[in-house]
Amino acid sequence: KAGVTQTPRYLIKTRGQQVTLSCSPISGHRSVSWYQQTPGQGLQFLFEYFSETQRNKGNFPGRFSGRQFSNSRSEMNVSTLELGDSALYLCASSSHGQGGEKLFFGSGTQLSVL
Amino acid sequence: GDSVTQMEGPVTLSEEAFLTINCTYTATGYPSLFWYVQYPGEGLQLLLKATKADDKGSNKGFEATYRKETTSFHLEKGSVQVSDSAVYFCALTRNSGNTPLVFGKGTRLSVIA
Repeated sequence: KAGVTQTPRYLIKTRGQQVTLSCSPISGHRSVSWYQQTPGQGLQFLFEYFSETQRNKGNFPGRFSGRQFSNSRSEMNVSTLELGDSALYLCASSSHGQGGEKLFFGSGTQLSVL
Repeated sequence: GDSVTQMEGPVTLSEEAFLTINCTYTATGYPSLFWYVQYPGEGLQLLLKATKADDKGSNKGFEATYRKETTSFHLEKGSVQVSDSAVYFCALTRNSGNTPLVFGKGTRLSVIA
């Protein structure tokens, strides 16, 4: 069974640009969550999608958005990039996204904003 | 809100040394507790979990016991190896509803031969 796949692996952008990151969950998983990882803040929850609906949202500005497609693949978009958006963005999938359920993480997309 | 506090790193140990990484939590109710591990260049992997008080999670020689009275879930290993070098994250989630995982900031472990 293939794991969680995130593309691209690395991205370099400049301030003011926008970026789209992609995540393909494990086959059969309907819940996809996104996390931002930085050295200072650790892992912070962005949002979770389940069956194409956003079910949970973290405390991030509206520049951060996401969506999920009917095949459970998910994308997240960051508009008007700022230097502080430089981070590793991790996607995780699970069957139902229920409390206590194991999450399967991708290797992440490393975003650098210059 | 819910939160997880881990000991500051980095932690550097010699091979075969005893490892403890402290983790305490704040949460309402009875959360599930996890340890995830992140090897260089990879995403997080579940190391072990415990879902109720006094449960002991174990995997690959690592152990952690859910202590409700001290709201702790410390990670231990009796004899570390160089291959255990990684970043370790303590996390919690509520058992009810669709609540996201809340992570600690991570503890980097380096094991030297």
